Amino acid sequence: QVQLKESGPGLVQPSETLSLTCTVSGFSLTSYSVSWVRQPSGKGPEWMGRMWYDGDTAYNSALKSRLSISRDTSKNQVFLKMNSLQTDDTGTYYCTREGHALFAYWGQGTLVTVSS
Amino acid sequence: DIQMTQSPASLSASLEEIVTITCQASQDIGNWLSWYQQKPGKSPQLLIYGATSLADGVPSRFSGSRSGTQYSLKISRLQVEDIGIYYCLQAYSAPYTFGAGTKLELK
Repeated sequence: QVQLKESGPGLVQPSETLSLTCTVSGFSLTSYSVSWVRQPSGKGPEWMGRMWYDGDTAYNSALKSRLSISRDTSKNQVFLKMNSLQTDDTGTYYCTREGHALFAYWGQGTLVTVSS
Repeated sequence: DIQMTQSPASLSASLEEIVTITCQASQDIGNWLSWYQQKPGKSPQLLIYGATSLADGVPSRFSGSRSGTQYSLKISRLQVEDIGIYYCLQAYSAPYTFGAGTKLELK
């Protein structure tokens, strides 16, 4: 069955770089796109960007200067890197599979806290 | 960026009541609108995609509709398990944008 799981450090220092991994199973990254979505506590979700099935990427313009998404298809992994983290980057980060029904499959999310 | 104006921000309703949540898009997004339910500590769950199509496993009391650039989610007979926060999402053009959410509570 389709599964996605986020992993990464729970705590990041201000001004440092966040690195997250989304490990998928039950589908191929060359057939489906994967997006990253984040959600500050008590607020609505924000779409961050996407790794297309063909290897291309798309980013939210509000984050584009700080964000990079890549993948390793042999390991079934999609990576997120975001630099210059600030306290308002604190929240839960999700990866989600994009299909004809949009975001039908989500990871459990990983909480990232930006604090010294 | 396309703005999604969702209303109401919160809603209190009784069991078996009909509930309607709306999202107004700032421009034409066709049928690229989906609805999600989120419960505390959980990932969002897809309810409706393509503005009107019911996602797999979602009870038939949920339905979606469209009138121009206004989209609605209707719960025909509210159940206890429907309590949560609901979000719309436009996927017509990047960046995809979510509505601010509607918190649905039991009266």
